[in-house]
Amino acid sequence: DAKTTQPNSMESNEEEPVHLPCNHSTISGTDYIHWYRQLPSQGPEYVIHGLTSNVNNRMASLAIAEDRKSSTLILHRATLRDAAVYYCILRDFGGATNKLIFGTGTLLAVQP
Amino acid sequence: DAGVTQSPTHLIKTRGQQVTLRCSPISGHKSVSWYQQVLGQGPQFIFQYYEKEERGRGNFPDRFSARQFPNYSSELNVNALLLGDSALYLCASSLAVKDGNTIYFGEGSWLTVV
Repeated sequence: DAKTTQPNSMESNEEEPVHLPCNHSTISGTDYIHWYRQLPSQGPEYVIHGLTSNVNNRMASLAIAEDRKSSTLILHRATLRDAAVYYCILRDFGGATNKLIFGTGTLLAVQP
Repeated sequence: DAGVTQSPTHLIKTRGQQVTLRCSPISGHKSVSWYQQVLGQGPQFIFQYYEKEERGRGNFPDRFSARQFPNYSSELNVNALLLGDSALYLCASSLAVKDGNTIYFGEGSWLTVV
């Protein structure tokens, strides 16, 4: 399974944009890039996913490098409720399962 | 609509005992997966079931077993509990297996082994 590398922690101020980086230099052609987040004492929550093109949804934007070896999750205006661990995950839709391989993620702290 | 529901939410067991954790997927979802999350780490995949058949297994000992029922609910069993089995056990559901659908997680069952 391809690996991802994320910073252990990041800080942001409330109402400012946040850019969470992820490196995945061994990504294969069938790997989708997924982001999940886990708020304290809750299960992981889907945020966004993409393959090659940049993606936007109501929660965030995903910017994918042209060579697909890195990506950035963008929270346009951080709120206190966005404080969580953010996981960048490569998911192979060609595999036998849809299992998610979690790393240790990035712990995002949001200051008021 | 109800999300993924798990029970019990918290439990304490003694070393050597057995535990059964239960999960009800989102209505209409046929796939259930189980994950173990030890404090300070990301969740680790244990099993995936689809249409009552095991579709995938992670690197866990045979003390861990699971099954899926005709209504798509699932149970995770752990025998001969060890202190290291103390963790948050997460259940996740999705419509199918090999597709692009979102995976939804429950809030988990906190297991403490003493």
